[in-house]
Amino acid sequence: DAGVIQSPRHEVTEMGQEVTLRCKPISGHDYLFWYRQTMMRGLELLIYFNNNVPIDDSGMPEDRFSAKMPNASFSTLKIQPSEPRDSAVYFCASSYSGFMGAFFGQGTRLTVV
Amino acid sequence: GENVEQHPSTLSVQEGDSAVIKCTYSDSASNYFPWYKQELGKRPQLIIDIRSNVGEKKDQRIAVTLNKTAKHFSLHITETQPEDSAVYFCAALISGGGADGLTFGKGTHLIIQP
Repeated sequence: DAGVIQSPRHEVTEMGQEVTLRCKPISGHDYLFWYRQTMMRGLELLIYFNNNVPIDDSGMPEDRFSAKMPNASFSTLKIQPSEPRDSAVYFCASSYSGFMGAFFGQGTRLTVV
Repeated sequence: GENVEQHPSTLSVQEGDSAVIKCTYSDSASNYFPWYKQELGKRPQLIIDIRSNVGEKKDQRIAVTLNKTAKHFSLHITETQPEDSAVYFCAALISGGGADGLTFGKGTHLIIQP
């Protein structure tokens, strides 16, 4: 298994543009998490899914952020419109039945200028 | 929700010495406590974990202890080596049936001095 796969690895965009981050979880894992990492705030949970259903999105900073999981092997995190303060590394992670430590993807480094 | 505090934020030790990182959690329902190591520019990687029915767990030079009464847990690294230099994160989870995602501490930057 290739592990959790995220794309793109790096994204530079202008303020106001739409950004879509993609994630493929480990096959067989039924939990998928989106985290954001910054120096100031550390690792923050944005949203997580169980069996493709969003369970808790209380960490999503505002309505500009949305996430979907149309099937067990794919999820997206969308920011529209993007702002410079959204610049961060966004990690996707997956786990089995929430009991194991989550396994992280390589992350997407987002820079909004 | 759960709140995890981690100390120290930076820890510098001589190569070969031991390092200890401590975390406290707020929700007594938390029952799973993993530790992650993150090297510069890389993803967090799970290095060891402990469940609430266990007080201590060892894996070679790494050990984790849990005190449920005091709601704190610690990571112990013995005989430190240069490759141990990284940022370490503790986390807590209420696992099983509507579990929340992992709540992470702010991280400890471990520096191994040669």
